[in-house]
Amino acid sequence: EVLLVESGGGFVRPGGSLRLTCAASGISVSSNHMNWVRQAPGKGLEWVSVIYTGETKYYADSVKGRFTISRDNSKNTLYLQMNSLRDDDTAIYYCARDPSMLLSAFDIWGQGTMVTVSS
Amino acid sequence: DIQMTQSPSPLSASVGDRVTITCRASQNIRDYLNWYQQKPGKAPNLLIFGASSLQSGVPSRFSGSGSGTDFALTISSLQPEDFATYYCQQSYSTPYTFGPGTQVD
Repeated sequence: EVLLVESGGGFVRPGGSLRLTCAASGISVSSNHMNWVRQAPGKGLEWVSVIYTGETKYYADSVKGRFTISRDNSKNTLYLQMNSLRDDDTAIYYCARDPSMLLSAFDIWGQGTMVTVSS
Repeated sequence: DIQMTQSPSPLSASVGDRVTITCRASQNIRDYLNWYQQKPGKAPNLLIFGASSLQSGVPSRFSGSGSGTDFALTISSLQPEDFATYYCQQSYSTPYTFGPGTQVD
């Protein structure tokens, strides 16, 4: 079965840090482009970051310089290191696969992990 | 950045209705347009990729059309399980922006 399972969310004060984890099974994170997408409570979807199979990375302007996407191929796991967190980073964070054969559509999503930033 | 707009929102419909949601990109994105369905408390689910290609396992009552800047998602006969929020997304260039969503209720 193909599964993406996020973890690492929680409550953090503004200025704090969290590292999100997306554990993959049934697919290889090294063979796919992997993304993070977030959704603030009651709001729409916002793309956050992508790591391509060739290691190129891109970020939304809203997180550039604060968030870092990475992966550990040996653990088949994707990460999102989030530093200098702000109130408006509060959201459900999803990891999603782009298999690169669907014109960069995201065909597999995790269930999401909630991040709450509040003083 | 490429901006995405959707209309209408919300959309009121009944079971059996033919429903069309439109999406417009702020610049030419060729056919790099995807549609997702999201139900409350769930992750989004890919319906259409490449503007008009039906994702595996998605019912054939869903269809997509368009190219360039104007796109549409059509549900030929709305079913009870189709009441949800629908998002378009451009995957032409990063940042991969989503539309604001259309709630079908």
